Amino acid sequence: DAGVTQSPTHLIKTRGQQVTLRCSPKSGHDTVSWYQQALGQGPQFIFQYYEEEERQRGNFPDRFSGHQFPNYSSELNVNALLLGDSALYLCASSLQGASNEKLFFGSGTQLSVL
Amino acid sequence: GESVGLHLPTLSVQEGDNSIINCAYSNSASDYFIWYKQESGKGPQFIIDIRSNMDKRQGQRVTVLLNKTVKHLSLQIAATQPGDSAVYFCAENPYGNNRLAFGKGNQVVVIP
Repeated sequence: DAGVTQSPTHLIKTRGQQVTLRCSPKSGHDTVSWYQQALGQGPQFIFQYYEEEERQRGNFPDRFSGHQFPNYSSELNVNALLLGDSALYLCASSLQGASNEKLFFGSGTQLSVL
Repeated sequence: GESVGLHLPTLSVQEGDNSIINCAYSNSASDYFIWYKQESGKGPQFIIDIRSNMDKRQGQRVTVLLNKTVKHLSLQIAATQPGDSAVYFCAENPYGNNRLAFGKGNQVVVIP
């Protein structure tokens, strides 16, 4: 039973470029959330996808967008990259409506913007 | 790679001793709290959770205490082992629907 998987593990981009990060949720999960974790900080909620729609969004600009596919996998896209976008991007999956709200996290994609 | 945990409050504990990590949460509306462990280069790993209708919950070697009056959460690790060295985050759910708000984290260093 695979857990949450993310790709790539590391990525280097330059300012102004665009990036796409990918996530496959834990088997049986239907909801994917994305978090940004800056160095030395706790993860910050970006947005959540369920039934292929964005359901909740944190305090992130429109440069951050996402998508969820029919197989529940998800992508995070960031346009016009800034140096401050350098961070660990974490994907978490869960089951919508479950009484246990436990989130399972992937190992993340480390994005460096130069 | 870079290590999560730089500039974080650090608890150094002797192997075999008990560890206590504290967390102050901010939102009275939160009704669910989780402790996560994060090792360098990895994502957060679930340790234990507690709902607001409880004030204590025990797992294997871990205990979470919740004091809603002062909005305080603690994690106790019994007989700390070298594998417990990591950054520990508390998280709350002020918005519901699996949208968590994380604290800043505490680094635990176990001295063999």
